[in-house]
Amino acid sequence: DADVTQTPRNRITKTGKRIMLECSQTKGHDRMYWYRQDPGLGLRLIYYSFDVKDINKGEISDGYSVSRQAQAKFSLSLESAIPNQTALYFCATSDLDRNTGELFFGEGSRLTVL
Amino acid sequence: QKEVEQNSGPLSVPEGAIASLNCTYSDRGSQSFFWYRQYSGKSPELIMFIYSNGDKEDGRFTAQLNKASQYVSLLIRDSQPSDSATYLCAVESAGKSTFGDGTTLTVKP
Repeated sequence: DADVTQTPRNRITKTGKRIMLECSQTKGHDRMYWYRQDPGLGLRLIYYSFDVKDINKGEISDGYSVSRQAQAKFSLSLESAIPNQTALYFCATSDLDRNTGELFFGEGSRLTVL
Repeated sequence: QKEVEQNSGPLSVPEGAIASLNCTYSDRGSQSFFWYRQYSGKSPELIMFIYSNGDKEDGRFTAQLNKASQYVSLLIRDSQPSDSATYLCAVESAGKSTFGDGTTLTVKP
């Protein structure tokens, strides 16, 4: 089983719908991240969390919200989806104790907003 | 100016050649530097990381860091068709990693 699991893997929805992408990890890492990837644009940070009580905005947080339900779970919500939020979304974790900064990625959630 | 810039691609090299990937960054407070490889439709995976100025070698891969010039590079020796992928440069500061747009490498048999 994957150490960082994202659900759903694929989702097609309509403009205005509320969408939640979920991420869970078994790595025991404190730090969790949500990134968005568009073709040719690399990964851009949406939100990040260094522990359960710590939530921070990334460079493109508008239109998104997050919830850190537990150390192992970090969810991303689109309250009212719009077509330009069509993208590949990645959850990632890193290990505070080792402090190497290496990111461990989930397999991605491909979201299409019609 | 983007925080992390990579040389524009795509880059094509013949099998067995050296592939050179370059990256510059703007945040002088950056602490750690990473190269991730991403196959089409897959998640990024770490290839190399480097913290100190100089070279770091791991098998066919060599990462080079020059903090004064705010420059980091990745050399792939004896390139193989299986190295064909997009390579992402990432720069870490205060626990956050910022990525470049990636360079797509094709190794032709």
